[in-house]
Amino acid sequence: DTEVTQTPKHLVMGMTNKKSLKCEQHMGHRAMYWYKQKAKKPPELMFVYSYEKLSINESVPSRFSPECPNSSLLNLHLHALQPEDSALYLCASSQGWRGLYTFGSGTRLTVV
Amino acid sequence: ELKVEQNPLFLSMQEGKNYTIYCNYSTTSDRLYWYRQDPGKSLESLFVLLSNGAVKQEGRLMASLDTKARLSTLHITAAVHDLSATYFCAVPPEYGNKLVFGAGTILRVKS
Repeated sequence: DTEVTQTPKHLVMGMTNKKSLKCEQHMGHRAMYWYKQKAKKPPELMFVYSYEKLSINESVPSRFSPECPNSSLLNLHLHALQPEDSALYLCASSQGWRGLYTFGSGTRLTVV
Repeated sequence: ELKVEQNPLFLSMQEGKNYTIYCNYSTTSDRLYWYRQDPGKSLESLFVLLSNGAVKQEGRLMASLDTKARLSTLHITAAVHDLSATYFCAVPPEYGNKLVFGAGTILRVKS
């Protein structure tokens, strides 16, 4: 299995909703990442998990809450988002912090 | 701090023509990745360049890496419409686990 699977593919949520994005990989990668990408821009790093521990938080607002329940799963919990948080959210994993990143298909999030 | 610059940022090409995208980076790294992204889709890995002088080719695309000059090139030969996409280079720093992306090159191939 050489894929990173993200669900859901599309999500529309109101500003008072709570939702979660899910990411799963079975490549044995011990580093997992959340990125946010706005249109016509490169991906921006949000969080890095290394061996299931949060190692980087790029000053992301607390309305985004990551969780790594085990070495294969990564979640991003969303609460009280703003319309400007609408974007493509990408999960990635890598074998070691200098290995090639494999990206999931992404979740297209719209906040209304 | 590692910075990665790509140019051009937008490239409109005629079918059948050749062109090169450049990726410069500011600090030492011995590897570089190229990704392709179609509109609304995720990033697809194109090339992994792991050493100085590395050259990889896939179809009409060829990528190279010069770690001394801190420069990678992505050469497009005889462009076809299917190559229209956004291309990103990305560089992992020697220390730390934060992959740094270039701004991306939007490639449009016109018939």
